[in-house]
Amino acid sequence: NAGVTQTPKFQVLKTGQSMTLQCAQDMNHEYMSWYRQDPGMGLRLIHYSVGAGITDQGEVPNGYNVSRSTTEDFPLRLLSAAPSQTSVYFCASSYRSPGLAGGPGEQYFGPGTRLTVT
Amino acid sequence: AQSVTQLGSHVSVSEGALVLLRCNYSSSVPPYLFWYVQYPNQGLQLLLKYTTGATLVKGINGFEAEFKKSETSFHLTKPSAHMSDAAEYFCAVSDWDTGNQFYFGTGTSLTVIP
Repeated sequence: NAGVTQTPKFQVLKTGQSMTLQCAQDMNHEYMSWYRQDPGMGLRLIHYSVGAGITDQGEVPNGYNVSRSTTEDFPLRLLSAAPSQTSVYFCASSYRSPGLAGGPGEQYFGPGTRLTVT
Repeated sequence: AQSVTQLGSHVSVSEGALVLLRCNYSSSVPPYLFWYVQYPNQGLQLLLKYTTGATLVKGINGFEAEFKKSETSFHLTKPSAHMSDAAEYFCAVSDWDTGNQFYFGTGTSLTVIP
């Protein structure tokens, strides 16, 4: 199993450009999520999905879009990049959503994408 | 709303000394609690988790944590620090009341002094 993969590892964008961060998992996990990590702020949830065709907003969704057309893939789109979106982005997946009986499953994290917006 | 507080953004211990990383949470219902570790330039890796049952939870690499409901705490400990323990540690919480979300603390950077 490759686990959770993210591409690219590094990206530099100019203000106003758009791009898509790719995330894929091969564990047949229903729950997938995107976080951003900023110094002193921990991880903050951007968007999440509890299954194909179902997405919802997290704590900091503005400026980002997601879709979930398959169980495996969960891309994150930056519509018009801003310097405030400079961050490290992590994708994660879990075999069980937090809201289900029995509690959430462990989250498996990808290696991250370091994004700089100038 | 859920919140997680990690006291001490930086903790230094000598090699062989006790490691204690603090985590307090707010939740009006029974929580699910996690500790993750992040090594430089890597993603997060699960150390241990508490869902139900025994309140003392053992994890990987000799770490353990105890869920104390009365103190709303889930502190992480290790009896003897090793150089390889130097990393960033994150506490996370979820519960059925928060829907499908995990909430992370701001992290504690652990330095191990030889």
